[in-house]
Formats: sequence, C-alpha cells, structure tokens
Amino acid sequence: NAGVTQTPKFRVLKTGQSMTLLCAQDMNHEYMYWYRQDPGMGLRLIHYSVGEGTTAKGEVPDGYNVSRLKKQNFLLGLESAAPSQTSVYFCASSFVGEGPVGEQYFGPGTRLTVT
Amino acid sequence: GQNIDQPTEMTATEGAIVQINCTYQTSGFNGLFWYQQHAGEAPTFLSYNVLDGLEEKGRFSSFLSRSKGYSYLLLKELQMKDSASYLCAVQDSNYQLIWGAGTKLIIKP
Repeated sequence: NAGVTQTPKFRVLKTGQSMTLLCAQDMNHEYMYWYRQDPGMGLRLIHYSVGEGTTAKGEVPDGYNVSRLKKQNFLLGLESAAPSQTSVYFCASSFVGEGPVGEQYFGPGTRLTVT
Repeated sequence: GQNIDQPTEMTATEGAIVQINCTYQTSGFNGLFWYQQHAGEAPTFLSYNVLDGLEEKGRFSSFLSRSKGYSYLLLKELQMKDSASYLCAVQDSNYQLIWGAGTKLIIKP
C-alpha cells in the first residue's frame, strides 16, 4: 500500500499562473482533505470531501478549487497563483470523520513557491 | 473564536521525560489528537483522547481534562529520534480538526 501520495513534490509558479495538485489514496477512505501549513501557524483546512462527488469549504478556501471525481483522488486547483499562496500543502484522508478511526493519514506534502 | 495553544519550543535531554501541554477553546469537542511531525515530513498519528484521563501507548502517554480544556503529551525515555514537532488538534462540533501551531521538541545528548 502506498498510502497517500501527492504530486508534484515541489513547484515554483509565477504570479497569475495556474496549477493542479493531485492527491491519491489507496486505503478506500471516504474522507479527504487539503491543508496548508505555514511557519508559526497550525495546519489550516482549505477544502475537504466526505465522499466521491462531494466537496466542501474549509477555513481558508479563497483562491482554491477542488474536485473529487473518483473516490481515490482529490485535486486542488489554483486558478491564479498569488505570493500569499506560497506554502506547504498536505493532503490527508480518513476512513470516517470522527472518533478514533477519524485518524487522518497524510501525504508527503507539496512545497509551492509563488514568485 | 477557536484557539489551540501550545508552547512553541521545548528542550529536553536524552533519556529524560518531557510533558508538552495543549490548551484549547473550540466550538464543541469531539476528541483530541496528537500528531508527530519530523522536519520536512508529513504529520503522523500518535494518540486520541475523547474521555477524561490518561491513555498510554508505549513510551508515549496522552492526558485529557475536558472541563479544563487541557491536554498533555508525555514522552518518556527520550531518544534522539523524538526530536520533532508535536501537533495538538481538536475535533470541533462539525468534526473538523482545529490545529495548534505545534511544539518543536529539541533533544540534547
């Protein structure tokens, strides 16, 4: 089992460019999440999904869009990148949303720099 | 508002014991998680508490007091590989995780 994988691992964008981050999980998890992690701050939830075909906004959704066309994949899109979106992006998945089995499994992260 | 507080950094000696505290104020409570994150890596799950009391798992233990909005992670017999950041996260009334900024633990020989 690969667990949760993310591509790419690193990316540098110019302001205004667009890109898509891909997250894949092979654990048959229903729930998937996209977070950003910035120095001195906790992980912040961007968007999440509670099942195939569903998405919902998290704490910091502005400037991002997501899609979950297949249960195993969760895509994060930046339509017009801004320097404020420079961050480390983590994808995570969980079997359910609550309780001890709500444990989230994280991908290795994507380090994005917007110049 | 929702808030999770942890010390920014702690230093301890190899072989010793260290306690990392976490206080929280959230809209609802459905459990508290501790994760470990080594530099440049993804967070990994350590423990989960939903009832008051102590949960022990090998060298690591986690304690919860819901009335005080307080938890701690206790690490015993510290090893150099325990050098990492420790993240406290509370599951709120919407079952979303609210994360603290993490405590960077430095282990000295």
